[in-house]
Amino acid sequence: DAEITQSPRHKITETGRQVTLACHQTWNHNNMFWYRQDLGHGLRLIHYSYGVQDTNKGEVSDGYSVSRSNTEDLPLTLESAASSQTSVYFCASSVGGELFFGEGSRLTVL
Amino acid sequence: QKEVEQNSGPLSVPEGAIASLNCTYSDRGSQSFFWYRQYSGKSPELIMFIYSNGDKEDGRFTAQLNKASQYVSLLIRDSQPSDSATYLCAIHQAGTALIFGKGTTLSVSS
Repeated sequence: DAEITQSPRHKITETGRQVTLACHQTWNHNNMFWYRQDLGHGLRLIHYSYGVQDTNKGEVSDGYSVSRSNTEDLPLTLESAASSQTSVYFCASSVGGELFFGEGSRLTVL
Repeated sequence: QKEVEQNSGPLSVPEGAIASLNCTYSDRGSQSFFWYRQYSGKSPELIMFIYSNGDKEDGRFTAQLNKASQYVSLLIRDSQPSDSATYLCAIHQAGTALIFGKGTTLSVSS
């Protein structure tokens, strides 16, 4: 079955370190997204991509970057992790308006 | 700045009752509207989407859209304890990604 997987599922890191969260989907969807979810804030869009070599900033993109070198993967990089980036991160891909979410990656920055 | 507003709740209803979840949005250019359900510790999953003014029914769920009032709602008939979850309203405008509200927590008591 086609799916979307995130790794790692849990990570603890220190402030200032670079962190990369992986996202891989096997549906061959062109559209991929990264959201973060925090208590009291709901899901907030970080970055999104509508195809290979296409990336776009969302509402909370500062401190994050993405690259899209193939259809299947959209890794999210935190250039210099900050405690404010402690969150649950969800990757998603879509066809039409329906998003298919990964299981989430819980990141703790100490 | 697109905004999607939801009452965070919790909304508590007894088993068998109708649960009414509401969402307002600020961007009149929004074209499609989605309701996602998220169980605690899990990723969101799509319940329904609606594009046109009026009602759309799917089993126990009814989505209602009023574009003039910038209002979308989700009714859950015959609520069950298994419906206890957070319900996320999301809007979509052409060329952008889904923007989510903060979600409403529903608790159905048996």
